[in-house]
Amino acid sequence: GENVEQHPSTLSVQEGDSAVIKCTYSDSASNYFPWYKQELGKGPQLIIDIRSNVGEKKDQRIAVTLNKTAKHFSLHITETQPEDSAVYFCAAGGYQKVTFGTGTKLQVIP
Amino acid sequence: GAVVSQHPSWVICKSGTSVKIECRSLDFQATTMFWYRQFPKQSLMLMATSNEGSKATYEQGVEKDKFLINHASLTLSTLTVTSAHPEDSSFYICSGWETENEQFFGPGTRLTVL
Repeated sequence: GENVEQHPSTLSVQEGDSAVIKCTYSDSASNYFPWYKQELGKGPQLIIDIRSNVGEKKDQRIAVTLNKTAKHFSLHITETQPEDSAVYFCAAGGYQKVTFGTGTKLQVIP
Repeated sequence: GAVVSQHPSWVICKSGTSVKIECRSLDFQATTMFWYRQFPKQSLMLMATSNEGSKATYEQGVEKDKFLINHASLTLSTLTVTSAHPEDSSFYICSGWETENEQFFGPGTRLTVL
């Protein structure tokens, strides 16, 4: 089955700086790579996703890159704000079958 | 995006009792829903796949007789934790795929077993 590793487990950045979270996956058949933001006591919220036929996708301050050859993908948050503080999960897989990474707790320091 | 609701948002029960958690897709139909369990500071672990009109599929190590799943309609799946014990205390989250493109999660249910 799929195995997803995520780093770092915690990340502190100053407000306005960029944050990068990286994930690797094992199954070359995976074609869907979503990223979720989870605030304390709430369910995960999809913030961006990318599919295997695309190398990069951007949505305002958030971008995701995918390197299928190396089997890794990354989340980039620019101009971080305190409200970006949360736990972020990457996932890899396909329709109705995704495996989650271990999560990254992001703290944005005002 | 699509909306998935869960009820209750939190529940406290005594050891040995059963608790039912409802998961509803409010603006889309889901033939399949998923139930996850999340312990503090950990990732989401898939417990089972709920299939409308048929039996649920459980992940390895999940007791199907303890975690009863019923998917009675295209918009409702329920998870019943039977004979709950303190070790069942956790955050339970359901999800559904609106289309083949996006998976949406419910807000979660915090279960505390005393």
